[in-house]
Amino acid sequence: SAVISQKPSRDICQRGTSLTIQCQVDSQVTMMFWYRQQPGQSLTLIATANQGSEATYESGFVIDKFPISRPNLTFSTLTVSNMSPEDSSIYLCSVRGDRNQPQHFGDGTRLSIL
Amino acid sequence: ELKVEQNPLFLSMQEGKNYTIYCNYSTTSDRLYWYRQDPGKSLESLFVLLSNGAVKQEGRLMASLDTKARLSTLHITAAVHDLSATYFCAVDMGAQKLVFGQGTRLTINP
Repeated sequence: SAVISQKPSRDICQRGTSLTIQCQVDSQVTMMFWYRQQPGQSLTLIATANQGSEATYESGFVIDKFPISRPNLTFSTLTVSNMSPEDSSIYLCSVRGDRNQPQHFGDGTRLSIL
Repeated sequence: ELKVEQNPLFLSMQEGKNYTIYCNYSTTSDRLYWYRQDPGKSLESLFVLLSNGAVKQEGRLMASLDTKARLSTLHITAAVHDLSATYFCAVDMGAQKLVFGQGTRLTINP
């Protein structure tokens, strides 16, 4: 299975600032996914990132708040913009090779906003 | 909109007992996944269920899928403390997108 590295693993940020989270995969993948997991909650898909095209956002998430880059087949970034305490969550990236395999998740970025 | 509901959300059980976690979903899908999450950790894939009637077993865990009933079960046999974790089911809604259930927080007491 793919090895996924996320950076940073955690951060504490001030209200109103932005943070960019990096996701690196050890193999080429077509689609990468970004999820949010609020404290004690389940995972919610933020967007799907395809290389060479704009990310596709799920309902309730917008590009201005969560801009995503996907410059190549092994890397993606998610920026959390103009952060507020409500953005305190774990942000996870995931990938899947072929459709018969599970999605594999990175270790996540634990974000706290003061 | 696809909804995925797990039952129960919290489960405290004794070692050695058997129990089942249920995962119901609201629209047609033929692919379902079970994950485990330990506190402060990411998600670990447990099972991939790809068709109606699929059954997978690993150690004390067994998962099944009934696509007609839109139901998957995760059965725990003779529970041990090491199985304490949160378990999520996730349903494939197409285009590789997953919708997760709320999670079942399982605590196994000696």
